[in-house]
Amino acid sequence: DVKVTQSSRYLVKRTGEKVFLECVQDMDHENMFWYRQDPGLGLRLIYFSYDVKMKEKGDIPEGYSVSREKKERFSLILESASTNQTSMYLCASSLLGGGRGTEAFFGQGTRLTVV
Amino acid sequence: SQQGEEDPQALSIQEGENATMNCSYKTSINNLQWYRQNSGRGLVHLILIRSNEREKHSGRLRVTLDTSKKSSSLLITASRAADTASYFCATDENTGFQKLVFGTGTRLLVSP
Repeated sequence: DVKVTQSSRYLVKRTGEKVFLECVQDMDHENMFWYRQDPGLGLRLIYFSYDVKMKEKGDIPEGYSVSREKKERFSLILESASTNQTSMYLCASSLLGGGRGTEAFFGQGTRLTVV
Repeated sequence: SQQGEEDPQALSIQEGENATMNCSYKTSINNLQWYRQNSGRGLVHLILIRSNEREKHSGRLRVTLDTSKKSSSLLITASRAADTASYFCATDENTGFQKLVFGTGTRLLVSP
């Protein structure tokens, strides 16, 4: 079974802290994604990556950065956490697909609270 | 934002009834996917329909795609209480690499 593992299920951080959310997948997938999920807004794409060291901005990249130094690991960084970044963060991965499209596999989510 | 819209936002039905959810999107796509999310959990893939397909079935699921109207529908037949969840459509935009953009979701409640 494909496994996408997020480092924490729940996290509480203080305003201004630098926060690292880690995601690891074990199926050699090229694509990895970070989303945030808020009530009534669905999932919004923050960043995605299609290869090691490659990254593309999603729809809401402001206040976030990412790192992909190894194929299996994709990190989301909140440079200076703010209360409006309190949310559920979801990581996903998928095969490259070659234009035919492939399903994404999701981690269990990290519920981040910034106080 | 390129995010799609789902309709209705919430749907409440009885076991045995059919549930239909609709998704509209804005851009040219390679494919459209439907996912399910149980409360507070990650998403699980249900079905993928490519841009050159019009209809697809998987068990009790039926998905249609109308690229001229930029819309899709998910039909769950003979619903069960265990189908209670949120359902999301996701579009794989035609950008050269896979960029999955999700809709706002439909909350389905199936009562016994």
